[in-house]
Amino acid sequence: QVQVVQSGAEVKTPGSSVKVSCKISGYTSNIFGINWVRRAPGQGFQWVGWINVYNGNTDSTQSLRDRVTLTAETSTNIAYMELNSLTSDDTALYYCGLATRKTHLDFWGQGTLVSV
Amino acid sequence: QSVLTQPPSVSGAPGQRVTFSCTGTSSNLGAGYDVHWYQEVPGAAPKLLIYSDTLRPSGVPDRFSGSKSATSASLAITGLQVQDEAVYYCQSYDTSLRGLLFGGGTELTVL
Repeated sequence: QVQVVQSGAEVKTPGSSVKVSCKISGYTSNIFGINWVRRAPGQGFQWVGWINVYNGNTDSTQSLRDRVTLTAETSTNIAYMELNSLTSDDTALYYCGLATRKTHLDFWGQGTLVSV
Repeated sequence: QSVLTQPPSVSGAPGQRVTFSCTGTSSNLGAGYDVHWYQEVPGAAPKLLIYSDTLRPSGVPDRFSGSKSATSASLAITGLQVQDEAVYYCQSYDTSLRGLLFGGGTELTVL
């Protein structure tokens, strides 16, 4: 069965960076993507970005494009989201999800709390 | 406008049928983009319930069904059970946002 496991909670200072990992296991194809979304306290879900793990293509929301870097290691099926120049507005629960298509999240990780 | 509108809450008794609405705009549902539905039980990660308007992932009971028409979509649950209590979110793609867009979620209470 598919499992999506994220790295643990992070506490960061303003101006620093955070890197969250997302490991996929149990998925039989090597062609898939990872969508990243976040939810700030009291707010709704916001899409952060997407990476095609197979070829490395990425896309991200315009408001974060200058600060977010999405990467993935095909050998380990681990994806990473790095967010720079953190502010208190970046405090949120960050989720990754396996995306068989870019359009949605098929399997979600447990979430990683990033506190700035 | 980049928005998917969901009512904040719905309720129903065990065994009943309930529906969740999701109203979009011409930049998302009205543009023909698929709608997807997630269930978030407190303390657990969200779970995909319906994708591409009407399709159920493996393991999702056929009590859950989805539909879409023009700028609106619906999720229906039949044979309501206490364990269905959760928040239900719709999600689509938005051309103005150029990315995924989520509704605000509807909380289901099973009376």
